[in-house]
Amino acid sequence: QKEVEQNSGPLSVPEGAIASLNCTYSDRGSQSFFWYRQYSGKSPELIMFIYSNGDKEDGRFTAQLNKASQYVSLLIRDSQPSDSATYLCAVKAGSGGGADGLTFGKGTHLIIQP
Amino acid sequence: DGGITQSPKYLFRKEGQNVTLSCEQNLNHDAMYWYRQDPGQGLRLIYYSQIVNDFQKGDIAEGYSVSREKKESFPLTVTSAQKNPTAFYLCASNLGQANQPQHFGDGTRLSIL
Repeated sequence: QKEVEQNSGPLSVPEGAIASLNCTYSDRGSQSFFWYRQYSGKSPELIMFIYSNGDKEDGRFTAQLNKASQYVSLLIRDSQPSDSATYLCAVKAGSGGGADGLTFGKGTHLIIQP
Repeated sequence: DGGITQSPKYLFRKEGQNVTLSCEQNLNHDAMYWYRQDPGQGLRLIYYSQIVNDFQKGDIAEGYSVSREKKESFPLTVTSAQKNPTAFYLCASNLGQANQPQHFGDGTRLSIL
C-alpha cells in the first residue's frame, strides 16, 4: 500500500517568515512529486513539481527532494496571508504507465498570521 | 479559454438512484482522472483513462463506473451500490506522459437527500 504522510497541522507562521511543509512517502520507486494548494471549498491548484534530488525554486516557493530519505518538502518564503490554505503533497509511483494516478497525503493546514 | 469543466457544481442523490457527474476538457489531454475527497482527507483515485475507450480502476472504484467515448469527456456515474457517496468529486487531466502534472476542474459536491 503506497502511503504519503503529512503533518495535518495547523501550522501557524508569522507573515513574512518562511513556512516549511514536509511530506514522506513509502514507495521507494516513486518518480515524481507534486505540491498542490487547496483553499477551503475549492479544487487543488498546482504549486510546484519536482523529479530530481535537490532543490527547485519558483518565485517564493522552493521544493526540496531527497529520494534516499523518501522525503519532499515545500518552503514558502516571505509568507503572505493569502498563502493560508491546505497544502497537499502528491506522489506518482515509479511503476506503471505515464498516466497513472497520484497518491495524495491528507494535507497540511497552513495559517499565516498577519 | 482552455480548461476542465465539471458539472453540476452541486448534486443531490436520492436513495437507490444513479447519478452522473460530467467532466469535459479542451486542453487536448490524453489522460483523465477521477478523485474523491472526504472532509479533512486527501484525494483518492477512483478511475483513470489514458486513451479513448480504455480506462482502469483506481484505489476505490467499487460503486462507480466511467466511460471514455470521446477524448474530451470522462463522465463518472455514482451507482446505488456506492453506500457512502457524499464527497467532493474532482476530475483532472494531463498529457499522460511520465512526470506530467495533473490539473483539476472546480469539482462537484455530491450529497444524499
